[in-house]
Amino acid sequence: GAVVSQHPSWVICKSGTSVKIECRSLDFQATTMFWYRQFPKQSLMLMATSNEGSKATYEQGVEKDKFLINHASLTLSTLTVTSAHPEDSSFYICSVRPPAGGLETQYFGPGTRLLVL
Amino acid sequence: AQTVTQSQPEMSVQEAETVTLSCTYDTSESDYYLFWYKQPPSRQMILVIRQEAYKQQNATENRFSVNFQKAAKSFSLKISDSQLGDAAMYFCAPNFGNEKLTFGTGTRLTIIP
Repeated sequence: GAVVSQHPSWVICKSGTSVKIECRSLDFQATTMFWYRQFPKQSLMLMATSNEGSKATYEQGVEKDKFLINHASLTLSTLTVTSAHPEDSSFYICSVRPPAGGLETQYFGPGTRLLVL
Repeated sequence: AQTVTQSQPEMSVQEAETVTLSCTYDTSESDYYLFWYKQPPSRQMILVIRQEAYKQQNATENRFSVNFQKAAKSFSLKISDSQLGDAAMYFCAPNFGNEKLTFGTGTRLTIIP
């Protein structure tokens, strides 16, 4: 069964509005979650590392004020795209790292397609 | 800088045949994990196989196996008896010890019936 869920699976919004994407770890408590974005026919690009109870760590070039990450519980992390614009249209994927160890695999959510009109 | 290179943007193979996808990387770390992920048209990322760098034995998962050459920093994926369901994007993604996965650019695999 699914280890990680994302909601919504797809969303269409108007330019200037904010969109929240949820990522839930279903099988275990996760102190660390990751957020990626993927443009068509491209690879995954890590946006940020979400840490439960503390601030997210953003990758270079990712605007932290635009992509707000909240990891309020051990099973839920949210990504809010604020004041979305058409260039933010993309496929957003979260992943969860099991608590066993830092070098273990990550389990990925099914992704969220965002289209900003 | 830690880099991952997948030099084959696209590959195709006849059904039931064998295909090898290449991946090379650069790192100064000695202990790390290497992963191959598959992304079918549904876009769900699926773990195919993993290899611990300290293990000399190549990992195998049913029809999937790797050829891990640590000195050469090479980590290729071999798919035997290719099936239509193997059609997907394949990403090589090492974890060099900082908890993050570094993704290659991917190889699109087409299975010819």
